[in-house]
Amino acid sequence: GDSVTQMEGPVTLSEEACLTINCTYTATGYPSLFWYVQYPGEGLQLLLKATKADDKGSNKGFEATYRKETTSFHLEKGSVQVSDSAVYFCALKDTGNQFYFGTGTSLTVIP
Amino acid sequence: EAQVTQNPRYLITVTGKKLTVTCSQNMNHEYMSWYRQDPGLGLRQIYYSMNVEVTDKGDVPEGYKVSRKEKRNFPLILESPSPNQTSLYFCASYKQGALGFDEQFFGPGTRLTVL
Repeated sequence: GDSVTQMEGPVTLSEEACLTINCTYTATGYPSLFWYVQYPGEGLQLLLKATKADDKGSNKGFEATYRKETTSFHLEKGSVQVSDSAVYFCALKDTGNQFYFGTGTSLTVIP
Repeated sequence: EAQVTQNPRYLITVTGKKLTVTCSQNMNHEYMSWYRQDPGLGLRQIYYSMNVEVTDKGDVPEGYKVSRKEKRNFPLILESPSPNQTSLYFCASYKQGALGFDEQFFGPGTRLTVL
């Protein structure tokens, strides 16, 4: 079946450091790929998405590129802020309506 | 305000006592879904619904029931809860746009403890 594997956490970075959170997927067909962010005590919010190969999703300085050849969708940000501290989930939607989420990566940014 | 609401937000119950967690959305979305979130496992889809009276099993449907009698509501029913259903539950909804899937909106979560 379909699945998502993402980098284990937790990740601790200093403010203005570069961030990469790795995500790879296994899927039949052509899934859509997403990154969601969860702040403490809240539900998930969509951060960015990509619906086909080579698409780049971007939002709030974060970006991720749908790489079909490496089945990856790594999340990157050039300069993190304290306010970026949260849990990040990589997810895929298959060609039906089923979603598969990674286990989440906790990010803490220290001043 | 566009939102997904869940009730209750917190629930402590005992094994075998039937319970229902309600979910409602005010965005006229066709699709609704239930997830559970467990440490180290991320979110796993329990059931989803593509429209009124249409429901499908997700990854972990055992021990759960759902119904979709109205477009806005999608209750999650645990007929005989067990301790392994202790978890954080999220309801979500989304609209299938003209160009395909749009954005999935999540509710605030329901923390369930089964003793």
